Amino acid sequence: QVQLQESGPGLVKPSETLSLSCTVSGDSVSTYYWSWIRQPPGKGLEWIAYMHHSGSTDNNPSLKSRVTMSIDTSKNQVSLKLISVTASDTAVYYCAKHLMGAAGALDSWGQGTLVTVSS
Amino acid sequence: DIQMTQSPSSLSASVGDRVTITCRASQYISTYLHWYQQTPGNAPNLLISSASSLQSGVPSRFRGSGSGTDFTLTISSLQPEDFATYYCQQTYSNPTFGQGTKLQIK
Repeated sequence: QVQLQESGPGLVKPSETLSLSCTVSGDSVSTYYWSWIRQPPGKGLEWIAYMHHSGSTDNNPSLKSRVTMSIDTSKNQVSLKLISVTASDTAVYYCAKHLMGAAGALDSWGQGTLVTVSS
Repeated sequence: DIQMTQSPSSLSASVGDRVTITCRASQYISTYLHWYQQTPGNAPNLLISSASSLQSGVPSRFRGSGSGTDFTLTISSLQPEDFATYYCQQTYSNPTFGQGTKLQIK
C-alpha cells in the first residue's frame, strides 16, 4: 500500500516561491504518474500538474508557466514549485498517485498540507 | 479546457435513501471519468474509476455509469458514513474536477 506525505512551509509571502515535497513510501516513485492537486479553503479541487519520472509532464494552463514539478528517484520524492504566489494560491496542497498512466484516476492521496500566502 | 458540471450542488437525504449525482462534461470524454468522496478534513478518496469500475474496498452500494458526456453516481441505500462531498474528475485531456456535490443528512 503506497503512502504519501506532503511537507513544506505553511506560510509563504506574496511574490515568493511555494516549494513542497511529497515523500512516497511503499513503492518506487519511478513506477507511476504523480499529480499535485490543491483545494482553497471551503472550495473545490483544482488539478495543478502531473509527472512521470520519464519526463512526461503536463500542467494546468490556468497556472501558465508558474509551475514546475520534479521527481527525485534517489529520495523517492515528488516536488512542486509555484512561483510568484498571491493570496489566491492559499490552499491545501495534495500529492496523489495515478492508478494507471497519465489519464488514470488518483487512487492514493497524501493527507494534504495547508499553505497560506500572506505577508 | 473541458468543463465538468455536477448536479445538484447540494442534496439532503436520509439514511436508506437512493441518491443519484450527475456529472456532465462540456465535450466528449469517453469513459475517462472518475468519482471521489471527501469528508471534512480529509483527502479525497477514489470510489469509481473509468466511469464504472468500483475500487477495491468500496461498498457495492456505490455505482457509476455513463460515457461520452453524461455520467451518474448512484448510492443505492445511504449509510451514515456516506454523507460527504462527491467530486467527478475527467482525465480525457488536462484533468478537471466538477465543483462538487455536498450530500447532507435530511
